[in-house]
Amino acid sequence: AQSVTQLDSQVPVFEEAPVELRCNYSSSVSVYLFWYVQYPNQGLQLLLKYLSGSTLVESINGFEAEFNKSQTSFHLRKPSVHISDTAEYFCAVSRVGGGNKLTFGTGTQLKVEL
Amino acid sequence: DADVTQTPRNRITKTGKRIMLECSQTKGHDRMYWYRQDPGLGLRLIYYSFDVKDINKGEISDGYSVSRQAQAKFSLSLESAIPNQTALYFCATSDGGQGMRDTQYFGPGTRLTVL
Repeated sequence: AQSVTQLDSQVPVFEEAPVELRCNYSSSVSVYLFWYVQYPNQGLQLLLKYLSGSTLVESINGFEAEFNKSQTSFHLRKPSVHISDTAEYFCAVSRVGGGNKLTFGTGTQLKVEL
Repeated sequence: DADVTQTPRNRITKTGKRIMLECSQTKGHDRMYWYRQDPGLGLRLIYYSFDVKDINKGEISDGYSVSRQAQAKFSLSLESAIPNQTALYFCATSDGGQGMRDTQYFGPGTRLTVL
C-alpha cells in the first residue's frame, strides 16, 4: 500500500515570499504523484502531476514540484506567493498499474498574509 | 455550467436516517469516485466505479453503498446515518483514456452533518 505524509498542517507566509510545502511518500512500487489545491468552499483542482520524464514539473500559476526518488519526496515550491494562493494543498499518489486510485496526504493549509 | 455537480450542497440529518448524496457529470467520463474529507485526515476513498457495471469498494466503504444509475450519475447512500459520518463528501470523475495517469475532476462537495 502507498502512504503520503505532509508534515506541515499549516504554513503561514508573507506575500511575495517563497514557500515550500513538503510531501513524502512511501510505496514499494512505482507511483504517479500529484498536487491538488482546494480553495475555500470549493472542490479540489489538479495543480500539477508527475508521470514520467523530467523530474521537475510546473503549473501555469508559478508553482513547481520536483520528484526525488531517492528521498521519496515531491515538494511543492513557489518563489513568490500571492494572496490568491491561500488555499489547502494536497499531495497524492497513485500506484502504477493500480487502477487510478489516489491516496491523499492530510493536506497543508497555506495562508498568505500581507 | 459546472462539469461535476453534487446535490445537496449541505444536509443536516439525524442518526438512523437514510440519506442519498447525488453526483452528476457532463464530462463524458467513464470513471467516478466518492471520497470523504475530514479535518486533519485528508481525503479517503469510499467507492469507485470504472463503468456502469463496475463498482468497487475503497478504503472506507463500511456504512455506505453506491449506485451507478448511468454513465453520468453516481449516488452515495448512507442507509442508517451515524454521527461519525459527519464530513465533507466529494464526487470525482476521470476519463480512463490514460489509464492510471488520469486527472480526477472534483465536484464542489456536500457538507453532511449527522446529529
